Amino acid sequence: EAQVTQNPRYLITVTGKKLTVTCSQNMNHEYMSWYRQDPGLGLRQIYYSMNVEVTDKGDVPEGYKVSRKEKRNFPLILESPSPNQTSLYFCASSLLAGLGGTQYFGPGTRLLVL
Amino acid sequence: DQQVKQNSPSLSVQEGRISILNCDYTNSMFDYFLWYKKYPAEGPTFLISISSIKDKNEDGRFTVFLNKSAKHLSLHIVPSQPGDSAVYFCAASLPGGSQGNLIFGKGTKLSVKP
Repeated sequence: EAQVTQNPRYLITVTGKKLTVTCSQNMNHEYMSWYRQDPGLGLRQIYYSMNVEVTDKGDVPEGYKVSRKEKRNFPLILESPSPNQTSLYFCASSLLAGLGGTQYFGPGTRLLVL
Repeated sequence: DQQVKQNSPSLSVQEGRISILNCDYTNSMFDYFLWYKKYPAEGPTFLISISSIKDKNEDGRFTVFLNKSAKHLSLHIVPSQPGDSAVYFCAASLPGGSQGNLIFGKGTKLSVKP
């Protein structure tokens, strides 16, 4: 089954404790992206990757890091989480970037930073 | 500066009637527009898209209309069903996969009452 998976689905942590949210896709997609969803703000892009070893900042990259060592994986790293990073996070992938390339989303990771 | 706007946070419709969800945009360079549907505790799923060179695209009960001069698009659902109750996001992309980004509106929560 073609899908985007994220782990963990739910996470409670404390300020300053490094964490990683994993994202994996099995569709051989080149493009992957991370979004956060906050009430009243919709979906905002954090980082994206056009291909292996190619990553770039989205609209709200502060406090986040990513890496793309393999095509299928695109982990999101919070080196020192803060309460304002409490949010719902979605990973997405698509075969093409732009050109109306449909993005497929993972199920989401709900993060609470105390 | 919000480039994609969904000014109605919620919409309530009777089953069997038409649902019309609206979206306005400010960037005339957008070349693709997409609608995503999101149920609680799930990631957004692609619903329908339209290229900027068209003014209408239809897929079953779902039709998207694009008015470029007004920088406005709308999603029509006919007939509406209770299972259509979800949050609907309008999104737009720039030509050539610029930034590979989908720019999302804040979403409209549709409630279809039996």
